[in-house]
Amino acid sequence: DQQVKQNSPSLSVQEGRISILNCDYTNSMFDYFLWYKKYPAEGPTFLISISSIKDKNEDGRFTVFLNKSAKHLSLHIVPSQPGDSAVYFCAPAYNQGGKLIFGQGTELSVKP
Amino acid sequence: ETGVTQTPRHLVMGMTNKKSLKCEQHLGHNAMYWYKQSAKKPLELMFVYNFKEQTENNSVPSRFSPECPNSSHLFLHLHTLQPEDSALYLCASSQDGPRTEAFFGQGTRLTVV
Repeated sequence: DQQVKQNSPSLSVQEGRISILNCDYTNSMFDYFLWYKKYPAEGPTFLISISSIKDKNEDGRFTVFLNKSAKHLSLHIVPSQPGDSAVYFCAPAYNQGGKLIFGQGTELSVKP
Repeated sequence: ETGVTQTPRHLVMGMTNKKSLKCEQHLGHNAMYWYKQSAKKPLELMFVYNFKEQTENNSVPSRFSPECPNSSHLFLHLHTLQPEDSALYLCASSQDGPRTEAFFGQGTRLTVV
């Protein structure tokens, strides 16, 4: 029973363009959503989050959109930079904090 | 420096060996976690500790034995592992409460031969 799905295992974009990473979830009890970024041989690092009471959260080049009715969220990176090349994980959570459920990850490659 | 330190970074062990992974967090968090990442799979939650008490065990085989002596330290004791247990083992910590993110260590790359 996979509660979180990132259906695109990889994504390649040109430097300066927009990267859009998608995530679908099945459990309507999730009320807090996080994105993590992971470089090879390192642990994931927190990138951005959104509460279920919002539909958009922006932090610099990173924006996360949440569509609760569709149980879908997306991460937009614009403009994309080569240093953004990493694996991005979507991680819904419950409002009481703590345990995260991770998607399979999407490997983003930003080409100069 | 992420505040969560895991040792060793790499470990190769035989199927009859006993070894331990160590995790230490310097963030004052009260919850700690073990995750497993196998190739091409999502991160899988293995164990959760809150205030040193194990609150979750996600059907992990008994050849993996966690220990949390205090809220800053977490161990994963390994014995009689199988080659399919080879993976990246990640420790994380968080402050128990609403809308908090978890901080991860760099992981231990385990190879069972």
